[in-house]
Amino acid sequence: AQSVTQLDSHVSVSEGTPVLLRCNYSSSYSPSLFWYVQHPNKGLQLLLKYTSAATLVKGINGFEAEFKKSETSFHLTKPSAHMSDAAEYFCVVSDLSSSNTGKLIFGQGTTLQVKP
Amino acid sequence: NAGVTQTPKFQVLKTGQSMTLQCAQDMNHNSMYWYRQDPGMGLRLIYYSASEGTTDKGEVPNGYNVSRLNKREFSLRLESAAPSQTSVYFCASSETKTLQETQYFGPGTRLLVL
Repeated sequence: AQSVTQLDSHVSVSEGTPVLLRCNYSSSYSPSLFWYVQHPNKGLQLLLKYTSAATLVKGINGFEAEFKKSETSFHLTKPSAHMSDAAEYFCVVSDLSSSNTGKLIFGQGTTLQVKP
Repeated sequence: NAGVTQTPKFQVLKTGQSMTLQCAQDMNHNSMYWYRQDPGMGLRLIYYSASEGTTDKGEVPNGYNVSRLNKREFSLRLESAAPSQTSVYFCASSETKTLQETQYFGPGTRLLVL
């Protein structure tokens, strides 16, 4: 069965410093992986997705993630944090056990705090 | 382009009351989903509709029913609300049900059951 683990429930960085949000997945198949962002009292917005093309995926707002099969990781990074990046981030994997139903499995979320 | 819309934004119910959460999308998507979000648990799938006329259970369907009214609309009904159903509910849609499709989310409905 597929699963996803976000290794940090809370990350705090200073504005202008790099961001690293860690995600490990478990899958018997080649997964599709996503990062979504949720700003306070808002819905979820797709940041980026990996679908077996290039292993380094670039997303919106300067975020990128690298798919590392050997490490079963899909960490999200950004070179320089901005105050507007403060939000909750979800690592997500497609549920391949469900015969192409498109069901998503969400990690528990990582809250990113950006200090001035 | 409104994307995915949900009504109401916020609702307070008493235990045993019923209500329907409405969701509509204007992207001509075939698949629609209902999730609930609880602190520390990410989002969990309640029900989904792979295409118009079909619905299937997700991870946590107990206490809920759904109706895919047409291609645009997918409603979630709580027949007899319980405090355990206090949560934030998100509707989502995708073009198809395939694994690689991006799901687009509505703004959420915050439900408090007393």
